[in-house]
Amino acid sequence: GNSVTQMEGPVTLSEEAFLTINCTYTATGYPSLFWYVQYPGEGLQLLLKATKADDKGSNKGFEATYRKETTSFHLEKGSVQVSDSAVYFCALSDSGGGADGLTFGKGTHLIIQP
Amino acid sequence: EAGVTQFPSHSVIEKGQTVTLRCDPISGHDNLYWYRRVMGKEIKFLLHFVKESKQDESGMPNNRFLAERTGGTYSTLKVQPAELEDSGVYFCASAGQLYNEQFFGPGTRLTVL
Repeated sequence: GNSVTQMEGPVTLSEEAFLTINCTYTATGYPSLFWYVQYPGEGLQLLLKATKADDKGSNKGFEATYRKETTSFHLEKGSVQVSDSAVYFCALSDSGGGADGLTFGKGTHLIIQP
Repeated sequence: EAGVTQFPSHSVIEKGQTVTLRCDPISGHDNLYWYRRVMGKEIKFLLHFVKESKQDESGMPNNRFLAERTGGTYSTLKVQPAELEDSGVYFCASAGQLYNEQFFGPGTRLTVL
């Protein structure tokens, strides 16, 4: 079956630091890959996505590249802000746009200190 | 435009009782999903409605869980009788016909004592 593995948290960084949150996956076929973010007290929001190999998703300064050869979709940001503090979830879907139920990782709690 | 809403936000019940969770999707969204996150674990898919029909219920843990979506609008998820291991956060999501994105609600935190 499908599975997603992401680095355990919490991850604590200082403001303006470089961020990487690792995500690897196991899936049959060619899944679509997603990063969702959950800010305190809110629901999950789609941060970015990629639907095929070598695609790069980007949003709000975050980027992730779909690497089929390493089955990875690592999340990066060059300079984090306090407002980026949240829980980040890597996810996949067997269908192209995410019509099927998503398979999630456990989530990574990111804490940015001023 | 209103987002996905869920009610209640928190529920505390005793083992053996019944609880019903409600999800109101974004207006016009045919696709509705239920997920659950047990503490320390992944968010797990439970089921997927397309309008009022169950498209995929492969994630439903057992027959104590019953999901309905009468009329293809809001959905309810009933747990009867509740067990301790049912505690967690239940998320609902909806998506339009183009499936570009699943929009999530804030979740219902269920605690079974």
